[in-house]
Amino acid sequence: QKEVEQDPGPLSVPEGAIVSLNCTYSNSAFQYFMWYRQYSRKGPELLMYTYSSGNKEDGRFTAQVDKSSKYISLFIRDSQPSDSATYLCAMAGGGGSQGNLIFGKGTKLSVKP
Amino acid sequence: NAGVTQTPKFHILKTGQSMTLQCAQDMNHGYMSWYRQDPGMGLRLIYYSAAAGTTDKEVPNGYNVSRLNTEDFPLRLVSAAPSQTSVYLCASSPTRQQNTGELFFGEGSRLTVL
Repeated sequence: QKEVEQDPGPLSVPEGAIVSLNCTYSNSAFQYFMWYRQYSRKGPELLMYTYSSGNKEDGRFTAQVDKSSKYISLFIRDSQPSDSATYLCAMAGGGGSQGNLIFGKGTKLSVKP
Repeated sequence: NAGVTQTPKFHILKTGQSMTLQCAQDMNHGYMSWYRQDPGMGLRLIYYSAAAGTTDKEVPNGYNVSRLNTEDFPLRLVSAAPSQTSVYLCASSPTRQQNTGELFFGEGSRLTVL
C-alpha cells in the first residue's frame, strides 16, 4: 500500500461550487499535513498547513485532518476559475530529516466560468 | 525577492551525456532538496541537504549533488538515461527544531533524455 493515496482526477466543477479534495495515508507517525497548489508550468506553493488533527480555515479554504481515520481533506468554497490548478497533499512525521515530505500524486482541478 | 531559482528551465540531452541542473536560493535556508515530478507518479524525493557541507540521498544511482555553501544545491546527472526524463524541482526550507515541512519550490527544470 502506497503511503499516501490521492485521487488524481481530473475534477471539473462550475464556478461557485464547493470543492472537496481528499487524501488517505497509512503511516500513523505523520504529524504534519499540508496542501500545496501547483499552477501549470510552475512549482508547488504551500496553501494550507495543519499540525496533528483538527480544522484550519483561511478565507475560502478549509483543511481538515482526521488522524483516527488517516484521512485529510481540503474544501474550497465559492470556487473561482483562478483556483484551477493541481492540488497536492503532503505529510511528514515528527522525526527524521526535516522537510522529507511524502506527497500524493495530486488532483487536477478545473473551475469553469 | 527571487526565492528559489532553477536553471535551465528546459533542456534536451542524449543518452550517456552528463549535465548539471542549477538551484540557488536567497532566503538563507538551511535545508534544500531535489524532487522529480512525473505524470501519474507525483513528487519523488531524490536528494536532500540539511545544511551546507552535508547531503543525503533517497534514490541511488544516476545522480550526484554537492552543497558547498548555503545558497547553491546543484544536481548532476552523471550519464543520462531516458528514464531520467522528468521535471526536476528544487526546494528549500528554513532550518527549525521541528519538522514543519514547509517547502519553497523553484519553477522546475524540464529535462528530456533522448
